[in-house]
Amino acid sequence: GEDVEQSLFLSVREGDSSVINCTYTDSSSTYLYWYKQEPGAGLQLLTYIFSNMDMKQDQRLTVLLNKKDKHLSLRIADTQTGDSAIYFCAESILSGTSYGKLTFGQGTILTVHP
Amino acid sequence: KAGVTQTPRYLIKTRGQQVTLSCSPISGHRSVSWYQQTPGQGLQFLFEYFSETQRNKGNFPGRFSGRQFSNSRSEMNVSTLELGDSALYLCASSQSGSGNTIYFGEGSWLTVV
Repeated sequence: GEDVEQSLFLSVREGDSSVINCTYTDSSSTYLYWYKQEPGAGLQLLTYIFSNMDMKQDQRLTVLLNKKDKHLSLRIADTQTGDSAIYFCAESILSGTSYGKLTFGQGTILTVHP
Repeated sequence: KAGVTQTPRYLIKTRGQQVTLSCSPISGHRSVSWYQQTPGQGLQFLFEYFSETQRNKGNFPGRFSGRQFSNSRSEMNVSTLELGDSALYLCASSQSGSGNTIYFGEGSWLTVV
């Protein structure tokens, strides 16, 4: 079955890099997403990667995918206080019974200290 | 380009009542999916619609239902509300449902008293 796991908390100092980790279950045709949620708001799409890729970079964000270990990470360079939020990893499996469905991790609360 | 629009943003209902939430997807997007977010259960998939057809459904009781109209706008309905239905209900929009960008609205905050 589908199961996505994340560590619950991460605390970093402003200007440092943050690395948020996630493990997923299905390594076939899968899209993996990172979303950010600020208090009282919806989910903001940060980036996504297909399971046949190893890495994707978008400005301060770097996504690394280890297909063998089914491990996904999101690195935020030069972390700012405005990056404090909950970050969700989500899996979308391209198969009939799972089409159109995102399975989310529990979310990682990132706290950035000045 | 307008984003995903959900209405109402906030509402308070009494146990036993019913509620209808609305979602307008991004123009050109034909897939709309719904999620429930609670502190205890996290983000859980309710159902997904594509071209007015429900393609996938999560593990929720029959009190939760939805539909999609020909203009891709979607509504979800919860009947016989229970206290445990208090949650943030999020709508997501994409072109085809999987394998591409999936955008979320700001959500509808439902409180059942």
